Amino acid sequence: KAGVTQTPRYLIKTRGQQVTLSCSPISGHRSVSWYQQTPGQGLQFLFEYFSETQRNKGNFPGRFSGRQFSNSRSEMNVSTLELGDSALYLCASSSDTRDNEQFFGPGTRLTVL
Amino acid sequence: GQQLNQSPQSMFIQEGEDVSMNCTSSSIFNTWLWYKQDPGEGPVLLIALYKAGELTSNGRLTAQFGITRKDSFLNISASIPSDVGIYFCAATNFGNEKLTFGTGTRLTIIP
Repeated sequence: KAGVTQTPRYLIKTRGQQVTLSCSPISGHRSVSWYQQTPGQGLQFLFEYFSETQRNKGNFPGRFSGRQFSNSRSEMNVSTLELGDSALYLCASSSDTRDNEQFFGPGTRLTVL
Repeated sequence: GQQLNQSPQSMFIQEGEDVSMNCTSSSIFNTWLWYKQDPGEGPVLLIALYKAGELTSNGRLTAQFGITRKDSFLNISASIPSDVGIYFCAATNFGNEKLTFGTGTRLTIIP
C-alpha cells in the first residue's frame, strides 16, 4: 500500500502571498489531519477532516484553512503569509478502525521570505 | 499549544547501548504512541499503546503505557546506527483525532 503523499515537498513564498498544499492519504483512509512543525513550537495540530467535513480544529488563526475532497485527498491553504508561517507542514491519515494511529507523509517545507 | 513533557531532550550513546526515554502529562490519555522522525521526513509510527499498564514490543523497541495513564516509556535495546533520529511521544483520547506531541528526544550515536 502506498503511503501518504504530499506535494510539493518544498515551497518558497514571500510575505503576503498565499499557498496551497496537497495531501493524498493512504488508500482507504478517510481521516486526514494536518500539523505544523517548527523548532520553537514542535508539532502542533491544525485541523482534521473526515468525509469532507472538518471534525476538529487546533488553535491557529483563520488564515489557515483546509478542505477535503470526495476521494479523501485534502488541501490546506494559508493566506497572507507571515514569516512565522515558515515550517514543515505534515499531513497524516488514519483508518476508521484505528483512527488514533496516524500515518504521516514526508511533509511540505514552506519558507516565507 | 499543549505539549507533553519528554525527557531527555537529547542523548549521546555508543552503538550497542540501551536507551530509555519517557513522556509525562498532567492530563490523562487513553492512547499513547511513539514515533521516530528522520531529517527531512515525516514521523514514522513505531508503537501504539491502548491499555494502562500495557507493555508492547516492536523488535528491539519496547514501550509501556503508564498505570496512571499520564505517562509512557520507550526503551531501545542494543542501539544501532540507524536508530539515530528524533523520537516523539504522542497521546490522544478515543474519539478525538488530535494528537498531542512531546517535545522530542534527539538520539545520537557516537562512533
